[in-house]
Amino acid sequence: EAQVTQNPRYLITVTGKKLTVTCSQNMNHEYMSWYRQDPGLGLRQIYYSMNVEVTDKGDVPEGYKVSRKEKRNFPLILESPSPNQTSLYFCASSFRVGYGYTFGSGTRLTVV
Amino acid sequence: KQEVTQIPAALSVPEGENLVLNCSFTDSAIYNLQWFRQDPGKGLTSLLLIQSSQREQTSGRLNASLDKSSGRSTLYIAASQPGDSATYLCAVGGETSGSRLTFGEGTQLTVNP
Repeated sequence: EAQVTQNPRYLITVTGKKLTVTCSQNMNHEYMSWYRQDPGLGLRQIYYSMNVEVTDKGDVPEGYKVSRKEKRNFPLILESPSPNQTSLYFCASSFRVGYGYTFGSGTRLTVV
Repeated sequence: KQEVTQIPAALSVPEGENLVLNCSFTDSAIYNLQWFRQDPGKGLTSLLLIQSSQREQTSGRLNASLDKSSGRSTLYIAASQPGDSATYLCAVGGETSGSRLTFGEGTQLTVNP
């Protein structure tokens, strides 16, 4: 089944403890992206990747890192999480720029 | 900067009614427009994708139209059912934004039996 898989689905962590949210797609898509969703602010892009080893900042990149060493994987790294990063995170992929997007099921992160 | 607005923010209708959800965007330089459905606590499910050169797309009871020049899209849902209850999100893929999707805040739809 064609899909975008995120792990974990739920995560509670403490301020400052480094964490990684994984994202993997099995559709050979070139384009991958991370979004966060917050009440009243909607979905906002954090980082995106046009292809392997090509990444760029979205609207809200502060406090996040990404890497794209393989085409299928696009992990989101929080080096020192803070409470304002408590949010619902989505990974998405697209065959190429200009094509439709497939989203993962989301990761609900709580930082205390 | 692209801005996407969805009206209404919430809508409650009786089962069987036909309804229209509206989406407007400020920058007409778009690749495409995509409608999604989000159920509470769940991910986004793609409903329809309209390329900038297209006027409409249909899937079952759903029909989406695009008027790029006026910056508007509508999602028409025919014969609504309780299972259609969800939040519907409109997202625009921009030509000059790394194909970033800019989302509206959604319309929360409730279909009452």
